[in-house]
Formats: sequence, C-alpha cells, structure tokens
Amino acid sequence: DAKTTQPNSMESNEEEPVHLPCNHSTISGTDYIHWYRQLPSQGPEYVIHGLTSNVNNRMASLAIAEDRKSSTLILHRATLRDAAVYYCILRVPNAGNNRKLIWGLGTSLAVNP
Amino acid sequence: EAQVTQNPRYLITVTGKKLTVTCSQNMNHEYMSWYRQDPGLGLRQIYYSMNVEVTDKGDVPEGYKVSRKEKRNFPLILESPSPNQTSLYFCASSPRDRRNTEAFFGQGTRLTVV
Repeated sequence: DAKTTQPNSMESNEEEPVHLPCNHSTISGTDYIHWYRQLPSQGPEYVIHGLTSNVNNRMASLAIAEDRKSSTLILHRATLRDAAVYYCILRVPNAGNNRKLIWGLGTSLAVNP
Repeated sequence: EAQVTQNPRYLITVTGKKLTVTCSQNMNHEYMSWYRQDPGLGLRQIYYSMNVEVTDKGDVPEGYKVSRKEKRNFPLILESPSPNQTSLYFCASSPRDRRNTEAFFGQGTRLTVV
C-alpha cells in the first residue's frame, strides 16, 4: 500500500494561515489524496480531497505538487477549533476495496491564542 | 442530521465474553467499514462492506466478525474478546458514487478487555 509521511506536530497562531505538508512519493497515477482531521475525543472528519489539480472548499485548500509526490493542506485562518490531528490519506479507487483509506499517523496541530 | 451512530461509546468487558458493537447510518450509503485506532499505528481497517450481504476482510480481521443484513446497520462482533483487542473503534460509511467519496465516521467506541 502506498504510504504518506507527515510531521508529527506543528504549531500555529490564531488567525494566521497554516500549511500542513504531506509526502507521498510512492503514489500511483489513480490514487486520490484525501485529508481528514480528528478533533479530541471525536471521530475523523472529512476535510478535502483531490487528484491532480488544486482544490478549494469552505474548510481548506489543497495544493498538489505537479509530480503528485507531495501535497499541502492550507487552512487560511486558523482558529482554536482547528486544533486537531490532520491526516493525509491515499485512496485507491480502482481496487475492489475502492473506498479504503490508507492512514498515516497524522500531524497534531496546536493553535495558540 | 446525517450521521453514523455507534453504541456503546465505552465498554469494559472480560476476556472471552462475546460482545457486539452496533453501527447505524442514516444516509443510505452502500459502503461501510470498521477501523481500530491504536497509538503509533494509526487507523487500520478491520472489515468492510460494499453493500447488503457483501462483506470482506480489511487489514486486521482476526478475532472479529461482521454482518450486513440491512443497508443501514453494520455491527462488529467479537466472539471471544482478548486484551489485544483493547482499542478505539470507528465505524464509517460512504456513498458508492465515484464522484462523492467523503466518509462519515461515528464518534467511536472505546473498548477495554481485561
């Protein structure tokens, strides 16, 4: 299974942008890049996903490198409620188990007031 | 409100006593799965189901069973729990639509086997 690598932890100040990096050098051509986050004592929550092009939604932006070997999740203005573990995940769409998410260990984001 | 509901949220049991963790979703999703989350190991898939009566093993299926008799329910069964099954368990569901693959997760079940 393809793997992702993220920093263990990062810190940000409230109302500043946050760039969360992820390396996935063994990604295959059809693997989707997903990001989820897990707030304390809760289940994971979908943030965003993409294949090749950069993506924006109400929660965040996803910037994907041209060679697709890395990506960056961008939170435009961090709030205290964004403190969570952020997971960069690959999804293999053409396998029989085509909704399987391959989880890494995530980045624990602390947001300072 | 769209949600995945797991019960119970917390459970302490003894080795060998059969238990079932229930999972129910109200979004008419075809795909459901169970994960366990352990420190240093992340989330690992136990079993998944592509639709009613269609289930298959994930990465760590040993010691677990599942069933999918109805679309909305996907219970996880531990026939003879052991201490190494102490973990945080999550149920998830997502639609079959290839264009919409957002997975919805339950709140989790923290299981302790003594």
